[in-house]
Amino acid sequence: DTGVSQNPRHKITKRGQNVTFRCDPISEHNRLYWYRQTLGQGPEFLTYFQNEAQLEKSRLLSDRFSAERPKGSFSTLEIQRTEQGDSAMYLCASRLSGTEETQYFGPGTRLLVL
Amino acid sequence: QKEVEQDPGPLSVPEGAIVSLNCTYSNSAFQYFMWYRQYSRKGPELLMYTYSSGNKEDGRFTAQVDKSSKYISLFIRDSQPSDSATYLCAMGKTSYDKVIFGPGTSLSVIP
Repeated sequence: DTGVSQNPRHKITKRGQNVTFRCDPISEHNRLYWYRQTLGQGPEFLTYFQNEAQLEKSRLLSDRFSAERPKGSFSTLEIQRTEQGDSAMYLCASRLSGTEETQYFGPGTRLLVL
Repeated sequence: QKEVEQDPGPLSVPEGAIVSLNCTYSNSAFQYFMWYRQYSRKGPELLMYTYSSGNKEDGRFTAQVDKSSKYISLFIRDSQPSDSATYLCAMGKTSYDKVIFGPGTSLSVIP
């Protein structure tokens, strides 16, 4: 499968625990985006990377959230001290800059905080 | 007022019907317009991608953009039960910018 992949697909955790999600973009896609989607809503932008540089962060991304893309390939999204309000689907998307193509999404990681 | 508005439905139609899905938006800077289909518990799947105003057709799907009215539409001809999903409109200022989504319209096509 040459699409965007995300792991794990599902995560259940207790409030206060830390969680980390991974996204592997489509090969050679240098732009990588993170979105969050809650039930009945469209995805909301969190942050994006051009190669390893984090270029924009939404105000939705509180200081408990951190994202990295250390080698410009895969990315991780970490949530510290999870809260019940963090329960959502976390989506990753990628695209190739320098083209007119749009973003392609992965299957998402569904997080449930108990 | 949200940047992108979309009737959440649910919309239920018989198989073979023509479906019309619509979004309005407030930011005139949007130039790129997309429609994604999302099945339950899956990631969004790109259906249509258009730049500026005009129509684009792909098989049973037609996307229309009217920038003067800040209104976009997706038409599905000869709808099939497999079209049952949530349809998300989305837009961006540039092709590489973050994408702003509508809340999605839930569609059920009844056999």
